[in-house]
Amino acid sequence: AQSVAQPEDQVNVAEGNPLTVKCTYSVSGNPYLFWYVQYPNRGLQFLLKYITGDNLVKGSYGFEAEFNKSQTSFHLKKPSALVSDSALYFCAVREEGRFQKLVFGTGTRLLVSP
Amino acid sequence: GAGVSQTPSNKVTEKGKYVELRCDPISGHTALYWYRQSLGQGPEFLIYFQGTGAADDSGLPNDRFFAVRPEGSVSTLKIQRTERGDSAVYLCASSLKGMTSAKVNEQFFGPGTRLTVL
Repeated sequence: AQSVAQPEDQVNVAEGNPLTVKCTYSVSGNPYLFWYVQYPNRGLQFLLKYITGDNLVKGSYGFEAEFNKSQTSFHLKKPSALVSDSALYFCAVREEGRFQKLVFGTGTRLLVSP
Repeated sequence: GAGVSQTPSNKVTEKGKYVELRCDPISGHTALYWYRQSLGQGPEFLIYFQGTGAADDSGLPNDRFFAVRPEGSVSTLKIQRTERGDSAVYLCASSLKGMTSAKVNEQFFGPGTRLTVL
């Protein structure tokens, strides 16, 4: 069965500093990986996805993520954090094949201080 | 264009009552998903529709939960004999159906319906 682990409940970073939000996954086949962001009282917003190809994927709002097959990781990164990036971030995995469902991690709260 | 919409945004009901939650997907999206998000948790998959049929309902917790999508667009999640443990935010998502690995499409989520069972 697929699973996702986000080991940090919260990440604190100062504005202008680089940020990393960690995610590791487990699937039996090839993974499709996603990052979503959730702002208060709003739905999940898609940030980026890895399907195949280049291990570094770029997404919305300056975010990027690096797929590492040997470490089964898909960490979210941004070179320079903004206060407005403060939100709840979810990593999700889908297994290649007919199963369409996403399996989500428990989320990491990012707090960017001015 | 319009995103995924869900109604109502909030629903308070009493234990034992029946509730219906509605989802309007993005126009043209053939795939529709329901998830449930409890406090402090990530969304958990409930059911997936491709067109009118439920292609995967493995996430429905028990037979009190049922969902339909009769015309391949709007979907309704139905919960019978609600229990306090059903309290959560119910999320709906839709996507274009990708047939190959090069076309794995992201799911677009609605704002959710917050269900509170007293």
